[in-house]
Amino acid sequence: DVKVTQSSRYLVKRTGEKVFLECVQDMDHENMFWYRQDPGLGLRLIYFSYDVKMKEKGDIPEGYSVSREKKERFSLILESASTNQTSMYLCASSLHGGPYEQYFGPGTRLTVT
Amino acid sequence: DQQVKQNSPSLSVQEGRISILNCDYTNSMFDYFLWYKKYPAEGPTFLISISSIKDKNEDGRFTVFLNKSAKHLSLHIVPSQPGDSAVYFCAARDSNYQLIWGAGTKLIIKP
Repeated sequence: DVKVTQSSRYLVKRTGEKVFLECVQDMDHENMFWYRQDPGLGLRLIYFSYDVKMKEKGDIPEGYSVSREKKERFSLILESASTNQTSMYLCASSLHGGPYEQYFGPGTRLTVT
Repeated sequence: DQQVKQNSPSLSVQEGRISILNCDYTNSMFDYFLWYKKYPAEGPTFLISISSIKDKNEDGRFTVFLNKSAKHLSLHIVPSQPGDSAVYFCAARDSNYQLIWGAGTKLIIKP
């Protein structure tokens, strides 16, 4: 079974802090994604990566950056957290060019105060 | 502009009856459609999918129907069970192989 893990389930940070969210997958998937989920808005893509050291902006990249130094790990960075970044953050992975199913981690509920 | 719309934020169905969740889309270039299920405090899990060249796909209690002319798909769950209570997301794959997501429908199965 594919397993996607996220470093924290719940996180509380202060405005202006730098925040790191980490995601690890164990199925050698090429593609990795970061989404945020907000009520009434579904899942919105922040960044994705098709390969190590490669990154592409999604629909809402402002205020975020990512890092992919190893194939299995994809990190989301909030350079200076703001209250409007309070959300559920979901990491996902999938095979490149193959099945379209994305496998999700359990999510990180981030609260910025 | 939302390309994938789930117009019902919630749906309540009696246990044992049929649940029908709907999804509309605007982009005729979508080539795959997927349904995901999400429990609170968990990530979404893949449920069932359908290719744009088909009009029906069935997997146990779950059937997805695609009406390309109407740009509409639906998920049928029959019979509905208490464990089906969750948020259901419709997603569509675009030409860049990205998934475009609907806002979700919360399904409540009443005992």
